[in-house]
Amino acid sequence: GIQVEQSPPDLILQEGANSTLRCNFSDSVNNLQWFHQNPWGQLINLFYIPSGTKQNGRLSATTVATERYSLLYISSSQTTDSGVYFCAVDPNAGKSTFGDGTTLTVKP
Amino acid sequence: ETGVTQSPTHLIKTRGQQVTLRCSSQSGHNTVSWYQQALGQGPQFIFQYYREEENGRGNFPPRFSGLQFPNYSSELNVNALELDDSALYLCASSFDRGTGELFFGEGSRLTVL
Repeated sequence: GIQVEQSPPDLILQEGANSTLRCNFSDSVNNLQWFHQNPWGQLINLFYIPSGTKQNGRLSATTVATERYSLLYISSSQTTDSGVYFCAVDPNAGKSTFGDGTTLTVKP
Repeated sequence: ETGVTQSPTHLIKTRGQQVTLRCSSQSGHNTVSWYQQALGQGPQFIFQYYREEENGRGNFPPRFSGLQFPNYSSELNVNALELDDSALYLCASSFDRGTGELFFGEGSRLTVL
C-alpha cells in the first residue's frame, strides 16, 4: 500500500515563529488532506489539497503531486496552534492512509 | 448543516466483551469510514461503507464488523475485545467514496481492561 512520511516528527517553536511541515507519499493520489488534531482527539480539517496551493489565514498548503509531496506552512504561530498535524492521502481506493503526524509545541 | 456525531464518547469494557460504536454522518454524505487510532500513532483505516455496502477494508480481523443504515448512519462492532483494542475510534463521512473530502467526528475512546 501507499506509504506516507511526515517530517519533522516533533517541532518546538516560540510564539510568532514560522514553520513548515512536510508530507511525502509513495504513489500518486487523488485526495490529500491536512488535519489538526485537538487535545480532545477530534481531527479538524485544514486543507483538502490534492494539488496546487491554498491559503487560509496564517496557514497555507502546497501539494506538488508530480513530485509526491505536500507542505503545510504556519506563519506567526500562536500557542493555540499546538497539537498534532496529520497528512492523509487516498490513491482513489476509498481508503485514506495517514502519516504518523508532526507534534507542534508553540511556547509563549 | 449538522456535522459528524459519534456515541458514546468514552467507554470501558473488559477483555472478551463486545462493543458497538455509533456514527451519524454529515447531512448530504453517503459514505462513512471508520478508523482506529492507538496512542501516539496516526489513524488506521478499518473499513468504509458506501450506500449500505462495505467498500474496502483495512488490515483488521473479522471480529471488527460494521453496518450502514438507509439514512447513512453507521455502526462499528467489535467482538471478543482484546487489550490492544484500546484506542480512539474515529468515524468520517464524505460525499463520495475515493475522492471525497473526509469530515471526522469527535471519536469514541475505548478502554479495554
